[in-house]
Amino acid sequence: SAVISQKPSRDICQRGTSLTIQCQVDSQVTMMFWYRQQPGQSLTLIATANQGSEATYESGFVIDKFPISRPNLTFSTLTVSNMSPEDSSIYLCSALTSGQLKPYEQYFGPGTRLTVT
Amino acid sequence: GQSLEQPSEVTAVEGAIVQINCTYQTSGFYGLSWYQQHDGGAPTFLSYNALDGLEETGRFSSFLSRSDSYGYLLLQELQMKDSASYFCAVRDGQNFVFGPGTRLSVLP
Repeated sequence: SAVISQKPSRDICQRGTSLTIQCQVDSQVTMMFWYRQQPGQSLTLIATANQGSEATYESGFVIDKFPISRPNLTFSTLTVSNMSPEDSSIYLCSALTSGQLKPYEQYFGPGTRLTVT
Repeated sequence: GQSLEQPSEVTAVEGAIVQINCTYQTSGFYGLSWYQQHDGGAPTFLSYNALDGLEETGRFSSFLSRSDSYGYLLLQELQMKDSASYFCAVRDGQNFVFGPGTRLSVLP
């Protein structure tokens, strides 16, 4: 299994500023992802954080707006840049294992609740 | 394109059995997962089906029919703590596409 922590748990930011969210996993994992979720809505994949190389972004998300780092197998950051109220959401980090007992079980962090004013 | 469909809401009473369906249309398919999410909490993994058939884990079972692009989550002996949102997710390559979610309310 994997336990994921995120910092900060919540923040209120002014428009035009940037926030960096940290994600730490307690064990080495194969894949790390960043999702966005509006309250009561589904999860939307922002990007896959690749270790040692540029993240792979989904349609509608760009590196300039959501730069991602993954310097090692257990840590990643997501920055929300030049924020606007439309960026208010819950941001979730997740990690994927490929262990034999539970293949492709995805673990999620507790989320970062971001409000942009 | 990718699309998944689930009922938006389901209501049942304690001790009952409920089935949450998921149909999908995706460009690739490697497996179907189910996640539970309580209000204010993180999604937690329930099951993963890569092959057709039924997988049972305690009170929860998950079924997949790849030919019908269909799966379901079956919850037995419902408890109040099962009130939550349930998401199906298709594994498309190394990524997962999530369904819209089904909000399950368990009544006493």
